[in-house]
Amino acid sequence: KQEVTQIPAALSVPEGENLVLNCSFTDSAIYNLQWFRQDPGKGLTSLLLIQSSQREQTSGRLNASLDKSSGRSTLYIAASQPGDSATYLCAVRAATDSWGKLQFGAGTQVVVTP
Amino acid sequence: ETGVTQTPRHLVMGMTNKKSLKCEQHLGHNAMYWYKQSAKKPLELMFVYSLEERVENNSVPSRFSPECPNSSHLFLHLHTLQPEDSALYLCASSQDRTVQETQYFGPGTRLLVL
Repeated sequence: KQEVTQIPAALSVPEGENLVLNCSFTDSAIYNLQWFRQDPGKGLTSLLLIQSSQREQTSGRLNASLDKSSGRSTLYIAASQPGDSATYLCAVRAATDSWGKLQFGAGTQVVVTP
Repeated sequence: ETGVTQTPRHLVMGMTNKKSLKCEQHLGHNAMYWYKQSAKKPLELMFVYSLEERVENNSVPSRFSPECPNSSHLFLHLHTLQPEDSALYLCASSQDRTVQETQYFGPGTRLLVL
């Protein structure tokens, strides 16, 4: 059974520092991995989707890497801003899945202080 | 705005009540999903509909009853719920269930069962 773990559970950094968020998964047979952002009491916004054949994806200040063989992904957010405060979730889709099922981690809650 | 709306945004109900959650997507997608997000726990997939046909029922208790009358609307009918069912219920949609697709999430309905 696939298990997705995110460490740390919470993180607080001063504005301007780079953020490093980690995601690990136990079964390397995945189709893709996705990073989401969730603001308090709200739904999820997709940030980056990495296919299993890719090593990384970039969007603006965000960069996500994927090492499928070791079961790890890292989300880097450069020059953090208070607006980056949110919970960040990673989710994987198993290679055997045909239903669109995403397996989520519990998330990392990020606070960026001015 | 992701193009997925949910109503109501907040709901308080007693254990003997019957209520329904509504989700509508304006993206022309063919697949829709219900997720449950409990405090400090990862998101759990509840149901998947593809072209109005339920294709996944992830061992959800029968007190939750989904309905998908057309590809744009999805309902979750609730009856005789338990306090442990209190959670954020999220709806999502995607173009279809293929592995390449990103899921777009609504803002969620915060449910409290007394």
